[in-house]
Amino acid sequence: DAGITQSPRHKVTETGTPVTLRCHQTENHRYMYWYRQDPGHGLRLIHYSYGVKDTDKGEVSDGYSVSRSKTEDFLLTLESATSSQTSVYFCAISPTGVAGYTFGSGTRLTVV
Amino acid sequence: QQQVKQSPQSLIVQKGGIPIINCAYENTAFDYFPWYQQFPGKGPALLIAIRPDVSEKKEGRFTISFNKSAKQFSLHIMDSQPGDSATYFCAASYSGNTGKLIFGQGTTLQVKP
Repeated sequence: DAGITQSPRHKVTETGTPVTLRCHQTENHRYMYWYRQDPGHGLRLIHYSYGVKDTDKGEVSDGYSVSRSKTEDFLLTLESATSSQTSVYFCAISPTGVAGYTFGSGTRLTVV
Repeated sequence: QQQVKQSPQSLIVQKGGIPIINCAYENTAFDYFPWYQQFPGKGPALLIAIRPDVSEKKEGRFTISFNKSAKQFSLHIMDSQPGDSATYFCAASYSGNTGKLIFGQGTTLQVKP
């Protein structure tokens, strides 16, 4: 999607290893979000950011940490990956934090 | 209280039919209700959204109906086409919530030619 890029697009990792997913935006939007998508659960919020170095937890934050040192980058880290973290991860951005998310194309993560 | 419940989980209609997807919520503080459309391998994209001061909103073939007293809202797709085959998510948020959207479970729609 224009203005927001997620990397990598696909990753397979082993249980217990750390993993970092990157979300990069060129829109200069203040708000950034990490969601995970699982069948039957829709999209669930992991963490979000409302400014550089300003982050907060979402609904399913256990086992995840985030960092935002620049407006354009929002990193999601799985400290020690588990099989339950196998999922598709989406980053979203918003200019106002009220409406109008733009989602990235997602990262498919498999933990074996 | 923060949940948004979506039904049905899947839906199959013939071309030209009118699929209807329903969502219900509990938190009366919610004041923004968007619908997202997602194609395989892509991220969700905003389709249409409504605020509770109106009961209906139309954009092209897509209509949201909103029932504030019942705490329900639904998406109707008029004259559905095979290209509408996708997964649809309803969501809800409220002012001051830093834009955090609570999503429903999703509905996979198939429109047969």
